[in-house]
Amino acid sequence: AQSVTQLGSHVSVSEGALVLLRCNYSSSVPPYLFWYVQYPNQGLQLLLKYTSAATLVKGINGFEAEFKKSETSFHLTKPSAHMSDAAEYFCAVSDLNDMRFGAGTRLTVKP
Amino acid sequence: DGGITQSPKYLFRKEGQNVTLSCEQNLNHDAMYWYRQDPGQGLRLIYYSQIVNDFQKGDIAEGYSVSREKKESFPLTVTSAQKNPTAFYLCASSPAGFSTYEQYFGPGTRLTVT
Repeated sequence: AQSVTQLGSHVSVSEGALVLLRCNYSSSVPPYLFWYVQYPNQGLQLLLKYTSAATLVKGINGFEAEFKKSETSFHLTKPSAHMSDAAEYFCAVSDLNDMRFGAGTRLTVKP
Repeated sequence: DGGITQSPKYLFRKEGQNVTLSCEQNLNHDAMYWYRQDPGQGLRLIYYSQIVNDFQKGDIAEGYSVSREKKESFPLTVTSAQKNPTAFYLCASSPAGFSTYEQYFGPGTRLTVT
């Protein structure tokens, strides 16, 4: 069965600093990988997805993620954090039978 | 303006009562899903449907029921058999079942049972 591990339930960065949110997955087949963002009391919004094309995926709001098969990772980065990036972020892995979400990482951005 | 609507935003019920959460989509998607979200646990799949008049149990289906009589609608009933129904419930849809397609989420319904 596939699964997702997000390292760090809370991450805090200063405004303008690098954002790095970690995601590792396990899957017995080539995975499809997603990052979603959730603002308080709202649904999830897709940031980006990997579907076996380019390993470096660019998403909305300046985020990007790199698929590393050898490390089974799909970490999310943004060069410079903005106050509006404060939210909860979920990594998800999908095959043809299932989609699994990580437990989430809450990002705090300090002024 | 295409999307998924969930109503109501907040719902309060007494213990022992069944309650139905609404989910409607106008994206013409075949697949629809219900998730439960609890703090620190991510999203857990309750039920999903890949086609009208068909649905499958997810990981935590006990105490819940669904129907899929129309393509655009996938209501969830939280029954009195659900031990801990207080949670944030999210409905989602995708063009087809689990695949390369991302899921599109509604704004959620926060259910409080006392």
